[in-house]
Formats: sequence, structure tokens, C-alpha cells
Amino acid sequence: KNEVEQSPQNLTAQEGEFITINCSYSVGISALHWLQQHPGGGIVSLFMLSSGKKKHGRLIATINIQEKHSSLHITASHPRDSAVYICAVNSQGGSEKLVFGKGTKLTVNP
Amino acid sequence: GAGVSQTPSNKVTEKGKYVELRCDPISGHTALYWYRQSLGQGPEFLIYFQGTGAADDSGLPNDRFFAVRPEGSVSTLKIQRTERGDSAMYLCASSLTRGSTDTQYFGPGTRLTVL
Repeated sequence: KNEVEQSPQNLTAQEGEFITINCSYSVGISALHWLQQHPGGGIVSLFMLSSGKKKHGRLIATINIQEKHSSLHITASHPRDSAVYICAVNSQGGSEKLVFGKGTKLTVNP
Repeated sequence: GAGVSQTPSNKVTEKGKYVELRCDPISGHTALYWYRQSLGQGPEFLIYFQGTGAADDSGLPNDRFFAVRPEGSVSTLKIQRTERGDSAMYLCASSLTRGSTDTQYFGPGTRLTVL
């Protein structure tokens, strides 16, 4: 079993829909990251969080440390949101080693 | 300002050859990371530099892989006696101090194909 599990693996939505991507992890962590990867490989860091909730534009990330679970929400989804969304964690103790999930491929149709 | 750059963007080589992949981090970033991503998978950690020193190389798969950062800026990932299984996207990232507290900025990657 991977230390970081994401669901769903693939997600197709219609423009305007509310999107939720889930991430569960099995180890103690110091930080959790949500990343976006577009076709061709470029990765952009969206959020880094260790507690609570963060919001940036239409994106919201939440984390529940007790349940070892995080969610990434996209409100009013748009075709340009189509990408792979990856969850990654730093193990507890401030480890610099990131452990990644396999990613969730999101396709938003117009 | 310039982001993280990686060269070459694509590298095709034959089994058994030696390759070098280069990463130019954002100026002033002390932390530098190498990752490897196979098709359809998430990235895997290879090595982390803090300044000139490799602070964690636990992700390097075997002794064919080696990385250096002699002046604390540019880093080179070196792969000896390449194998077909080494084919992957190699990603580099940098952060201002530490990635566990600072945002990591990723380069565009080098796609390595070993024939």
C-alpha cells in the first residue's frame, strides 16, 4: 500500500461543476502539498499546508491531521483546470523527502 | 525572474551509455531536489541538496546514479551504464531554504529515453 493514496484516479466534469479530489496518507507528516501538472510535465505548487484550510482564487485545500486526510476543491471549474493534481507529503520530523501520490487526472469539458 | 531550468529537455541514448542532466535553480535558492517520474506515476524523490552537500540521497536507486552541486547553484545528475528502465522524466526543483517549509519550484524536466 502506498503511503499516499489519491482518489479518484480519473475525474471528468462539466464546466462550472464543483470538484473534489481526495488524498489519504498513512504516515505522520510535517506538511502536505498539492501540485498541478499540465501535459508536457511542468509542475506548479498550489498549496502547502500543515493544518486547517487554505484558499487561492477558486482553489481550496483542507487537511484533517487526525484523520490523515486532505481534500482539494475547485469551484466553478473551467476547461483550463484540466491537469493532473498530485498530493505529496513531508514525513514528520521535517524530512525534506517528498512522498507523492500517483495523481488525479482531471478533465473539465466545456 | 527566471525559473528553474533544465537541460536538455529531451535526451535519447543507448543502453550502456553515460548521461548528464543539468539543473539551474532559481538564483539564491539553497535547497535543490531531483525527482524521477515514470509514465502514469507520481514523481519519486531521488536526492536533496542543501547548499553544496547532498543532505539526503536515500532515493537514488543504485550506485549508477550520482549527483553533484559543486558551487551550491547548478546541479548535475549523472547516470552511468544506462538501462532501459532508467527511461523517465527527470524533474528538478528548488526552494529558498527548505522544501518542508518553503514552496518548491519545479523545472520543466528532462525526458530521458534509453533505447
